[in-house]
Amino acid sequence: DSGVTQTPKHLITATGQRVTLRCSPRSGDLSVYWYQQSLDQGLQFLIQYYNGEERAKGNILERFSAQQFPDLHSELNLSSLELGDSALYFCASSAGGTGAYEQYFGPGTRLTVT
Amino acid sequence: QKEVEQDPGPLSVPEGAIVSLNCTYSNSAFQYFMWYRQYSRKGPELLMYTYSSGNKEDGRFTAQVDKSSKYISLFIRDSQPSDSATYLCAMTPTGANNLFFGTGTRLTVIP
Repeated sequence: DSGVTQTPKHLITATGQRVTLRCSPRSGDLSVYWYQQSLDQGLQFLIQYYNGEERAKGNILERFSAQQFPDLHSELNLSSLELGDSALYFCASSAGGTGAYEQYFGPGTRLTVT
Repeated sequence: QKEVEQDPGPLSVPEGAIVSLNCTYSNSAFQYFMWYRQYSRKGPELLMYTYSSGNKEDGRFTAQVDKSSKYISLFIRDSQPSDSATYLCAMTPTGANNLFFGTGTRLTVIP
């Protein structure tokens, strides 16, 4: 158990809908990272927050947004969902804001868009 | 061309065999190299990381980095059925905030 928690474990929704995924980092970690894992693309970095502020952005669609709250948990919001958004979404955390080499991953949320 | 290439396998070996998993990369700025293990329907688990070139050993696992060839390896000695998983390599430049992953190699260790 990495200490990173994610809810929900599974999410099934329809195209055009909006969902929110939640992540709580390991105790003491200030950075949260979001990744998308699909069969054809592998793990793709979406976005990083450090102590409440956006720190880095990757291949995140404009329909997706994230935030980190004062208690350091983070939420990833996915809107206008398309079939292609079906994937595993992972959250990871690390202690610092830079030097991302020691990241610990949560169990993931499996999103199915029908 | 992807920045990190990894043979997806699948790779099947008998219990006790030495396993070699490899990745190549194109970005010479990568300085940190990680190996993650991912069991089915679980999140990636950090096995070990190395900085720059060289070897690092942790129990039955040895990571090697050859920056001149842009090639990294993970060796698993005395492989066990519990090692059956997908192994992901990842790497990042110094000071960067995101990891670049390979697509993973699926390993099965047969008892």
